[in-house]
Amino acid sequence: ILNVEQSPQSLHVQEGDSTNFTCSFPSSNFYALHWYRWETAKSPEALFVMTLNGDEKKKGRISATLNTKEGYSYLYIKGSQPEDSATYLCAFLHSTDSWGKFQFGAGTQVVVTP
Amino acid sequence: NAGVTQTPKFQVLKTGQSMTLQCAQDMNHEYMSWYRQDPGMGLRLIHYSVGAGITDQGEVPNGYNVSRSTTEDFPLRLLSAAPSQTSVYFCASSYYTGELFFGEGSRLTVL
Repeated sequence: ILNVEQSPQSLHVQEGDSTNFTCSFPSSNFYALHWYRWETAKSPEALFVMTLNGDEKKKGRISATLNTKEGYSYLYIKGSQPEDSATYLCAFLHSTDSWGKFQFGAGTQVVVTP
Repeated sequence: NAGVTQTPKFQVLKTGQSMTLQCAQDMNHEYMSWYRQDPGMGLRLIHYSVGAGITDQGEVPNGYNVSRSTTEDFPLRLLSAAPSQTSVYFCASSYYTGELFFGEGSRLTVL
């Protein structure tokens, strides 16, 4: 059972446009949410580790927000570039689970076209 | 910097054969884990370990064994491979509460 859902499954963005997508997770017993960027033929790489309701994190043109009370996190890409093309994964950890028992979403595949 | 190293990168097995996927990390991370990645399913946790001598089951542990005799190594054993175990396997490690560092993946095909 996939308790962590990401939407949309995929999206196409024109270079220079901004976009955002969602990770939904159970709103009870929150411990942590991670975002990872996964380029084709490479390994997932961490973007953000988020632990507090209201957290906002930023790395370059990519930012994320966290709402643990309603169970969602948004990832934003501002001014998309072709190098932003990747699958973006979120990973959720329950407070009732031992550290490391992450549940990953299926990912949002982003394709940025010039 | 080696990070997380997985071997082999590719493997083809026949049904019923056994094999071990190796994972080693040189970052002194307490936590190590194995995931499998299947289309449309995201990464699913197989087994994980929070330290040497300690392992626990994840979401899809059946058909896999693990052990953690050292901090650095976390091998994944398939005792009797089945076609349903055809997948891409990722090993990951982290400090407690930190981000996961992934290996490059091992593509396994079971015929």
